[in-house]
Amino acid sequence: QSALTQPPSASGSPGQSVTISCTGTSSDVGGYNYVSWYQQHPGKAPKLMIYEVTKRPSGVPDRFSGSKSGNTASLTVSGLQAEDEADYYCSSYAGSNSVVFGGGTMLTVL
Amino acid sequence: QVQLVESGGGVVQPGRSLRLSCAASGFTFSSYGMHWVRQAPGKGLEWVVVIWFDGNNNYYSDSVKGRFTISRDNSKNTLYLQMNSLRVEDTAVYYCARAGLSSGWYTFDYWGQGTLVTVSS
Repeated sequence: QSALTQPPSASGSPGQSVTISCTGTSSDVGGYNYVSWYQQHPGKAPKLMIYEVTKRPSGVPDRFSGSKSGNTASLTVSGLQAEDEADYYCSSYAGSNSVVFGGGTMLTVL
Repeated sequence: QVQLVESGGGVVQPGRSLRLSCAASGFTFSSYGMHWVRQAPGKGLEWVVVIWFDGNNNYYSDSVKGRFTISRDNSKNTLYLQMNSLRVEDTAVYYCARAGLSSGWYTFDYWGQGTLVTVSS
């Protein structure tokens, strides 16, 4: 199971939108609508932000949205706020009862 | 509210064993699958293993298969991870995470704060 590919870093100014990509293969991201996104602040536990590509758990602001095209999933953060600065990880069901994560993207709010 | 509290981490020599625990509260533990996910220092997240709500099924990543064993005691609301034949590359913060119910077992909807395992001679 190879890790999903994410850009190491992304950035945007307050109020702007930023999109983070997560590229896999037809055996994981492209094969299932089971992509999730997690936010992790330094020294803290991850927090579920998006599941099943586009769904938001209750309590997650609607500024966070997810999408997928082919083997690439994306997380978009609109109306960037200072508290959005964190690491973001995607994950996907990868078949054969396994899950694979992306390498993570550090989001900086300029 | 959902709480997951890991314990049992520490420093251990290569080849030795360690058992982690995760105490759950704030939800019906016996209704949910549970995961262990690890994060090496300064690195990304790595899924390790999942156990079904009733303990009857579990699935491991290739990196730990045959060395780690997950189990649970639903009467004690506690999840375990027995780690044998530890390697330096097993050094990481180990998180227990609750598997999603409506969101699918492959989703991690609540996480503990983690416990650090350091494998070093």
